[in-house]
Amino acid sequence: QQQVKQSPQSLIVQKGGISIINCAYENTAFDYFPWYQQFPGKGPALLIAIRPDVSEKKEGRFTISFNKSAKQFSLHIMDSQPGDSATYFCAASKGGGGSNYKLTFGKGTLLTVNP
Amino acid sequence: KAGVTQTPRYLIKTRGQQVTLSCSPISGHRSVSWYQQTPGQGLQFLFEYFSETQRNKGNFPGRFSGRQFSNSRSEMNVSTLELGDSALYLCASSFPLAGEVDTQYFGPGTRLTVL
Repeated sequence: QQQVKQSPQSLIVQKGGISIINCAYENTAFDYFPWYQQFPGKGPALLIAIRPDVSEKKEGRFTISFNKSAKQFSLHIMDSQPGDSATYFCAASKGGGGSNYKLTFGKGTLLTVNP
Repeated sequence: KAGVTQTPRYLIKTRGQQVTLSCSPISGHRSVSWYQQTPGQGLQFLFEYFSETQRNKGNFPGRFSGRQFSNSRSEMNVSTLELGDSALYLCASSFPLAGEVDTQYFGPGTRLTVL
């Protein structure tokens, strides 16, 4: 059972454009939704994260939009740059304290930003 | 501050053998999680240790085991290797703060190939 569904699998954007990656989850107990960025040969790195008590969170060019009723959240990358080319993973976990370490990941989106 | 280190970075084994992977968390971090990353299944949670105790476990067979030492370093072991165990094994560490959701910092992974 895939608890976090991510789309699209791959995305090609021109430099300066907006990249949008979507995720949907099934488990209503999830209460922590991070996005990770992974470059080839590296481990994933936290990009930005959101809790369900807010509908949007922005950090620089990266914005998470969260829709609790639809059980969906998305990552928007504004003014996309070639250096943003990487694989992006959405994830979710439930519970505070020790429980949020069990992250459930989406399958990933390979983003290519053309110069 | 040094990041999460994993050794070895690459490993080739044959079916039926066993393997031990090592993870050194960021200094001061007490929680260590392990994930398996494959092209087909993506990132899947294996287990999480805190203060030498396994707190969370994913849906993997008993051939996958782990432990954590008093200095927070962790090892995972896979016995009776199967071809399907070929994957990138990622370790992540975090510093638990009461009432906070903790960022997991990933290492570069160990690439295991089973022949």
